[in-house]
Amino acid sequence: DTGVSQNPRHKITKRGQNVTFRCDPISEHNRLYWYRQTLGQGPEFLTYFQNEAQLEKSRLLSDRFSAERPKGSFSTLEIQRTEQGDSAMYLCASSLHGTGGSYGYTFGSGTRLTVV
Amino acid sequence: AQRVTQPEKLLSVFKGAPVELKCNYSYSGSPELFWYVQYSRQRLQLLLRHISRESIKGFTADLNKGETSFHLKKPFAQEEDSAMYYCAAGGTSYGKLTFGQGTILTVHP
Repeated sequence: DTGVSQNPRHKITKRGQNVTFRCDPISEHNRLYWYRQTLGQGPEFLTYFQNEAQLEKSRLLSDRFSAERPKGSFSTLEIQRTEQGDSAMYLCASSLHGTGGSYGYTFGSGTRLTVV
Repeated sequence: AQRVTQPEKLLSVFKGAPVELKCNYSYSGSPELFWYVQYSRQRLQLLLRHISRESIKGFTADLNKGETSFHLKKPFAQEEDSAMYYCAAGGTSYGKLTFGQGTILTVHP
């Protein structure tokens, strides 16, 4: 297991197109998170899963964003009808969450999206 | 609303000097507090958690519930400590973390 893997590393797309990103978490981790980061800002929460269940979705997330985690393994984040404001780094993280609380995230390298 | 504030965007010190990166939080209940670090061209990684009371790479962080602060400290900064540092807070029942805006630490030789 080499950690959290995200693909692609970079994505350039035209406004209005749909894009999909993939995240492969650490296999032992039961939680998977998606964050978005823009220049000069800290990571901003988008959504997270425990196993295959999507437990929370940020109110900041429009209906154009959807995430899935089939079978509780890898996850995909899709953005429909992309807008220039969607340009950002999209980070995936996973963690092992138990009765003792969270043990901290392990982050992927991120997918940098540029909408032109 | 949950909020994490890192008042300094930039912090510069000389090698061997003490360093303190400030973090204040506004959170209901008793949150878990973390420091994450991102070195140049590397991914974000966990530096330390308040619950484990550990010292990593010479860094420590003390949770002050009265002042709702979780400042990161190191008595003698090294050049390799130069990085972006993020403070983060989360509820004990939930894994979601709220991150601060980050502080860029530069340690000069």
